Amino acid sequence: GQSLEQPSEVTAVEGAIVQINCTYQTSGFYGLSWYQQHDGGAPTFLSYNALDGLEETGRFSSFLSRSDSYGYLLLQELQMKDSASYFCAYNYGQNFVFGPGTRLSVLP
Amino acid sequence: DTGVSQDPRHKITKRGQNVTFRCDPISEHNRLYWYRQTLGQGPEFLTYFQNEAQLEKSRLLSDRFSAERPKGSFSTLEIQRTEQGDSAMYLCASSLGLALDNEQFFGPGTRLTVL
Repeated sequence: GQSLEQPSEVTAVEGAIVQINCTYQTSGFYGLSWYQQHDGGAPTFLSYNALDGLEETGRFSSFLSRSDSYGYLLLQELQMKDSASYFCAYNYGQNFVFGPGTRLSVLP
Repeated sequence: DTGVSQDPRHKITKRGQNVTFRCDPISEHNRLYWYRQTLGQGPEFLTYFQNEAQLEKSRLLSDRFSAERPKGSFSTLEIQRTEQGDSAMYLCASSLGLALDNEQFFGPGTRLTVL
């Protein structure tokens, strides 16, 4: 079957580092994306990994291991505005399958 | 161009009625996607257009759903004979379609409520 798993909730304090894991199961795979969605807002793109390894964009980094069917999103120097839901999504062709999302709460 | 726009933002309809939503992507984007999202869930892929061609469609998509992108610019999503289970946020996204860049830009969505 096709599926993604990610923790449902994560809580951290301002300034901390948090890692959101994502495992996937699929017969076809091109890459893994990460999106952020604030309550009532639209998803916004954070990163895309087509190749194994770490991609860094400012405070956010994303990692992919194709052999382990695993990826993670790393958020550093957490800020209150990072409180949101985070979705991993894999694609085969242009069919994107999103995970159930991880709700991140950043506490002062 | 300020981004992807969708119209209407909210739609309330009675069961059995037909509804149509419109999406205007970012002008230079050749790829357009439709998703459905319910509360607490991730977006669910519905269909994908490359210019005016509908190249992918979810196997889970009922025959009551149809989408068009007649001139490769705006797109419409129609739901016929709506059911209460169709109540959801319908999201449109567009992208440039670069090889290793799958960044999709999402619109604000159309929230459908079927009574």
